[in-house]
Amino acid sequence: DAGVTQSPTHLIKTRGQQVTLRCSPKSGHDTVSWYQQALGQGPQFIFQYYEEEERQRGNFPDRFSGHQFPNYSSELNVNALLLGDSALYLCASSSGQGNRETQYFGPGTRLLVL
Amino acid sequence: TQLLEQSPQFLSIQEGENLTVYCNSSSVFSSLQWYRQEPGEGPVLLVTVVTGGEVKKLKRLTFQFGDARKDSSLHITAAQPGDTGLYLCAGHREYNFNKFYFGSGTKLNVKP
Repeated sequence: DAGVTQSPTHLIKTRGQQVTLRCSPKSGHDTVSWYQQALGQGPQFIFQYYEEEERQRGNFPDRFSGHQFPNYSSELNVNALLLGDSALYLCASSSGQGNRETQYFGPGTRLLVL
Repeated sequence: TQLLEQSPQFLSIQEGENLTVYCNSSSVFSSLQWYRQEPGEGPVLLVTVVTGGEVKKLKRLTFQFGDARKDSSLHITAAQPGDTGLYLCAGHREYNFNKFYFGSGTKLNVKP
């Protein structure tokens, strides 16, 4: 049973460019969440997708957008990249609702903006 | 301001010592989870606690959820170098199951 997968593993971009990160959830999971983790800090919630809709959003600007496909996989898009966008981007998948929902994380995509 | 505050931020101990990591909030959480993360990898779930006062044990690791569901602790007995990593607490606030909050993490280094 494949866990959560993310691609690419590493990415280098320059300021002003746009980037797309991809995530495939764990088999049987229908909900995908994205997080940004700066070096030495805990992950910060970006947004969550369920049934192809953004269900909840953290404190991130509109430059951060996403999409969920019918097969539950998801993309994170970041426009007009800034140096401060350099971070590890984590995708997590889950299923079910309520306080027993467990999130499983992928290995992340390391983004470096120069 | 982090909704979940972890302490200490850094911990460097010798193999065989015991340690406790704390996770505190002013908000009530419907559940709290503890993760361990190694450099360049995603967090790996260790445990989920749901009920106030709940205690769960995972080999040498003991997790406790506070009675009021505002805090949690992780106690490691006889730490080993393999326990080295970033320990993160995270959870859903009561009545908002769609947003998941993380603490800032505790970086543990266990020296042989």
